[in-house]
Amino acid sequence: DTGVSQDPRHKITKRGQNVTFRCDPISEHNRLYWYRQTLGQGPEFLTYFQNEAQLEKSRLLSDRFSAERPKGSFSTLEIQRTEQGDSAMYLCASSPATNGAQYFGPGTRLTVL
Amino acid sequence: DAKTTQPNSMESNEEEPVHLPCNHSTISGTDYIHWYRQLPSQGPEYVIHGLTSNVNNRMASLAIAEDRKSSTLILHRATLRDAAVYYCISDNFNKFYFGSGTKLNVKP
Repeated sequence: DTGVSQDPRHKITKRGQNVTFRCDPISEHNRLYWYRQTLGQGPEFLTYFQNEAQLEKSRLLSDRFSAERPKGSFSTLEIQRTEQGDSAMYLCASSPATNGAQYFGPGTRLTVL
Repeated sequence: DAKTTQPNSMESNEEEPVHLPCNHSTISGTDYIHWYRQLPSQGPEYVIHGLTSNVNNRMASLAIAEDRKSSTLILHRATLRDAAVYYCISDNFNKFYFGSGTKLNVKP
């Protein structure tokens, strides 16, 4: 399967703990995106990378959130000092070009107790 | 952020065509219109996208109004597997802003 993969698929953590998610995009896709989706809502844009450069961050991305794409391939999204409001599905997508289709992974479902 | 407006839900009979409308009156001239669909517990799936002209692919057709303030996704023959939430998105420099989408129910 050469699609976008995300790991883990599910994560349960206690409030105050740090969590890290990984996304492996489709190879040779130079753009990578992170979204967050809560129940009954559409995905919300968080941030995106072109190669290793983080080009934009949404105001939804508080200082507890950090994303990296060190070699322009896989990306990680870390949430520090998790809060119950961080419970959501975190989606990753990749794209080969601007104004093109984005291909989404299956998501990581985070539950903060 | 360019906003899109869609009906909350629609219903269709299996094997019949479905027309899913979307309003995007604040879209800029360079924003593409994308359609994605999402099944429960899955990531969104690309359906189709276009800028000005109508577009066709194996999944669907996209009809874009001449003034680009609205568009319609056309599923030519709905199947039970087409039951999903359909999102109409305006592409603002490749950043997607999803609304709440239209939940399509397909009746056998």
